Amino acid sequence: DAGVTQSPTHLIKTRGQQVTLRCSPKSGHDTVSWYQQALGQGPQFIFQYYEEEERQRGNFPDRFSGHQFPNYSSELNVNALLLGDSALYLCASSSGLALAPEGNEQFFGPGTRLTVL
Amino acid sequence: AQTVTQSQPEMSVQEAETVTLSCTYDTSESNYYLFWYKQPPSRQMILVIRQEAYKQQNATENRFSVNFQKAAKSFSLKISDSQLGDTAMYFCAFERGSNFGNEKLTFGTGTRLTIIP
Repeated sequence: DAGVTQSPTHLIKTRGQQVTLRCSPKSGHDTVSWYQQALGQGPQFIFQYYEEEERQRGNFPDRFSGHQFPNYSSELNVNALLLGDSALYLCASSSGLALAPEGNEQFFGPGTRLTVL
Repeated sequence: AQTVTQSQPEMSVQEAETVTLSCTYDTSESNYYLFWYKQPPSRQMILVIRQEAYKQQNATENRFSVNFQKAAKSFSLKISDSQLGDTAMYFCAFERGSNFGNEKLTFGTGTRLTIIP
């Protein structure tokens, strides 16, 4: 059973460019959350998708947008990249059912390391 | 809004010894969950242990146990018989309870734990 997968592993962009990160949830999961983890910090919640809709959003500007596909995979898009967007971007998946066997555990992927030059 | 504070940026301990990592949190919620996550150099965030706020009994998972003091809003992690593989960043995290799926995780800034051979 494949866990949460993310692509690419590493990415280098320049200021002003746009980037798309991808996440495939764990089998059986329908909810995807995205987090940004700056170097030496804890992850910060960006947003969560369920049934192809943005269900929750953290304190991030509109330059950060996302999408969820019918197969529950998700994309994170960042426009007009800034140097401060350099970070590890983590995807976490979970089940939308409160009584799912795994309870409310969120499973994390290995992350995408984004460097903005 | 919830806040999570980890006041120990770094800790080190000899192999086979016991170590305790501290975490305090602030919330006005009555239904919530607390977690300890481990992030080794490979970057994959792994759940170590979780505690439901409504449960008075402290959670244990093999060598890992917590001391949950609800009134004091304290949630420490004890690692017994520490092993070299325990070397990692450890994050304390908070999640508000929900009747539907998962809420966002709020993380602390982490404690870098090094196990010395």
